[in-house]
Amino acid sequence: GNSVTQMEGPVTLSEEAFLTINCTYTATGYPSLFWYVQYPGEGLQLLLKATKADDKGSNKGFEATYRKETTSFHLEKGSVQVSDSAVYFCALAGNTGKLIFGQGTTLQVKP
Amino acid sequence: DGGITQSPKYLFRKEGQNVTLSCEQNLNHDAMYWYRQDPGQGLRLIYYSQIVNDFQKGDIAEGYSVSREKKESFPLTVTSAQKNPTAFYLCASSIDWGANQPQHFGDGTRLSIL
Repeated sequence: GNSVTQMEGPVTLSEEAFLTINCTYTATGYPSLFWYVQYPGEGLQLLLKATKADDKGSNKGFEATYRKETTSFHLEKGSVQVSDSAVYFCALAGNTGKLIFGQGTTLQVKP
Repeated sequence: DGGITQSPKYLFRKEGQNVTLSCEQNLNHDAMYWYRQDPGQGLRLIYYSQIVNDFQKGDIAEGYSVSREKKESFPLTVTSAQKNPTAFYLCASSIDWGANQPQHFGDGTRLSIL
């Protein structure tokens, strides 16, 4: 079945450092891929998405490229801020329409 | 502002008690969802509804029940049959049921056992 695997956290970075959070997936067909962010005590917010191979999603300085050859959708940001501290979830939606989530990666950014 | 409202923010359940979590959306979305989130884990789908008056079991439906009598409302009941109900519950909606539709989430209800 479909599944999503994210790198384990927590990831701790200094402000202005480069961020990569790895995400790989297993799916049949051509899933849509998403990154969601969850701030403490809140629900999830859509950060970016990509619906086909080689698409690049981007938002708020974050970006991720849908790589079908490596079944990956890694999240990157060139310069993180303290306000980026949150839990990040990678997710896929297959032909059933259901969202399958990774386990989440906690990012802590220190000033 | 359009969005999803979950209430209450915190809820406590006694042994043998059923409790109902509220979820209301004013986004005019057809599809709605309930997820359970446990520490260090991703979200797991409890129930979903593609359209009003219809709902389907998700991956962990045992001990839960839902109704979808109105388009904007999708309440979740945690019954006494759910033996480990302590978790963070998230409601979501999307324009319709489809792989390309992003889901919009409420701020969640945290349920604990007294």
